[in-house]
Amino acid sequence: QQQVKQSPQSLIVQKGGISIINCAYENTAFDYFPWYQQFPGKGPALLIAIRPDVSEKKEGRFTISFNKSAKQFSLHIMDSQPGDSATYFCAPLVGGATNKLIFGTGTLLAVQP
Amino acid sequence: GAGVSQSPSNKVTEKGKDVELRCDPISGHTALYWYRQSLGQGLEFLIYFQGNSAPDKSGLPSDRFSAERTGGSVSTLTIQRTQQEDSAVYLCATSPRTPYGYTFGSGTRLTVV
Repeated sequence: QQQVKQSPQSLIVQKGGISIINCAYENTAFDYFPWYQQFPGKGPALLIAIRPDVSEKKEGRFTISFNKSAKQFSLHIMDSQPGDSATYFCAPLVGGATNKLIFGTGTLLAVQP
Repeated sequence: GAGVSQSPSNKVTEKGKDVELRCDPISGHTALYWYRQSLGQGLEFLIYFQGNSAPDKSGLPSDRFSAERTGGSVSTLTIQRTQQEDSAVYLCATSPRTPYGYTFGSGTRLTVV
């Protein structure tokens, strides 16, 4: 299922800094582009998502940038906080009959105080 | 319930034994998904239910894996003759009819010794 490539694998950011995580995909059947946040011992939780007819979406400190022609989308976390330390997954959705998510490999983010 | 409930939260089993993992979805969520999260493979789709039927079983790794859903509610994932490579966290997610409201449970951590 290597249709989704996520980078970097891990990221260390100082408190107040900007965290940037990237995702590249191949499958043009994807029609919904979410980012999930996962804390240890918990399931992934939807953080923010974008549809392909929009190039950017912002919710609080979290922004998705979407480049349809390059088949890439990224997550930006502004003013990063220690509580943002978690694993982040891009997980574009294959629409149609199944609506299943195809997960990236994950990025472990550590925000240092 | 308020969220997706999975049981048990942890399961240790001997190689060759059968195990059953349970998922209680959010009330009214018609779509139910099983995913597997392991160190080497990331998060992988296993099976999708719409109501009691499973139109997409494409992610089940072998015929030792099966799943059912009854009453459009509770789902059980069964692994027969467990192998060490089955060790992983098994996650259940549910969503209402539209695909954009995936909610994951906290998972069952399966360890095969």
